[in-house]
This record gives sequence, C-alpha cells and structure tokens, in this order.
Amino acid sequence: KAGVTQTPRYLIKTRGQQVTLSCSPISGHRSVSWYQQTPGQGLQFLFEYFSETQRNKGNFPGRFSGRQFSNSRSEMNVSTLELGDSALYLCASSLVLAGNYEQYFGPGTRLTVT
Amino acid sequence: AQSVTQLGSHVSVSEGALVLLRCNYSSSVPPYLFWYVQYPNQGLQLLLKYTSAATLVKGINGFEAEFKKSETSFHLTKPSAHMSDAAEYFCAVSENTGTASKLTFGTGTRLQVTL
Repeated sequence: KAGVTQTPRYLIKTRGQQVTLSCSPISGHRSVSWYQQTPGQGLQFLFEYFSETQRNKGNFPGRFSGRQFSNSRSEMNVSTLELGDSALYLCASSLVLAGNYEQYFGPGTRLTVT
Repeated sequence: AQSVTQLGSHVSVSEGALVLLRCNYSSSVPPYLFWYVQYPNQGLQLLLKYTSAATLVKGINGFEAEFKKSETSFHLTKPSAHMSDAAEYFCAVSENTGTASKLTFGTGTRLQVTL
C-alpha cells in the first residue's frame, strides 16, 4: 500500500506570495492532519480534516488555511508569505478508528521564503 | 492541555550500547503515546504506540517503550545501538476528543551513535 505523498517536495517563494501544498493520504484513510516543523518551534499542529470538514485547528494566523476533497486528498494554502513561514510542512493521515489515532506521515514539503 | 517533555536534546551512545531516550507526559485523561523517528530530509516514521493495551510496547527496529503511569513516563529503549539508529526521535501524545485528534510533540532528541 502506498504511503502518504506530498507535492511538491521543495518550494522556494518570495515574501508576499502565496503557496499551495498538496497531500494524498494512504488509501482508505479519511483523516488528514498538517504540521509545521521549524528548528525554533519544533513540530506544531496546523489543522485536521475529516470528511471534508476541518475538525481541529492549531494556533496559527488566518493566512494558513486548508481543505479536504471528497477523495480525502488535502491541500493547505499559505497567503502573504513571511520569512518565518520557511519550514518543513508535514502531512499525516490516519484511519480514525475508535481509540486508534496513529498518524502516518509523508516526506514533507520544504518551503523556503526569501 | 496535554504535553510531553523530552529530557536531553542530544544523546550520544557507542555502537552496541543501550539506548535510553526519555519522555514524560502530562495528561488529564489516559493518554495515547507515540514515538516517532525522523531521518534527515525525511518525514516521521512511527516506531511504536501505547494505547492502554499493554504497558510494555514493542516497536520496529528493536525499540520498545514502557508506560509508567506513576512516573508519567514513556521512555524509549533499545538494548544495542546500531549506526543506522542515528536520527531524531520524537515523543508525542494524542489529544483525542472523540471528534478530533491532534498530536502534541516533544522537542525531540537527536541520537548520535559512535564507533
């Protein structure tokens, strides 16, 4: 079974631009979560989607948004990029069975904002 | 809110030596706990998980962890380190509300394995 895939793997953007990252979960997984990883702040939760609905959101500004499609694929968007948005963005998927919330991570998208 | 604390941002062991990576958690409800490993330029790989079925959890690559409620700990161990174990290790707790979940991670421990 294929793992979580994320595209693109690397991205360079300029301050003020916007960016869209894509995530395809493991087949059959209905929950997709996004995390930001930086050297200074570590791994931080951005949001979680299940059945096309955002169920949980981390403490990030409104410039960060996401959505999930009917096939469970998810995208996240960051508008008006700032230098501090440079990070590794990780997507994770899970089955979301009762009591079993283990998440499987993709390789990440490394975003560099210049 | 739930949280995890990883003691020691860097741990160095000799090849063949015991690996011990420490994790303490804070949770008001029975937690789900996880250990993940991250190799350079890669995502996170699940090593093992605790979901209350057994206090000693065995994972991949010879790792195991023991859940100790009295100590609020979930330390990761491996009897004999291998060079390929060099990576960053993250302990995480899952906050499950029944309708949503998220992982809260520790700050990570970078494991160095020397000859």
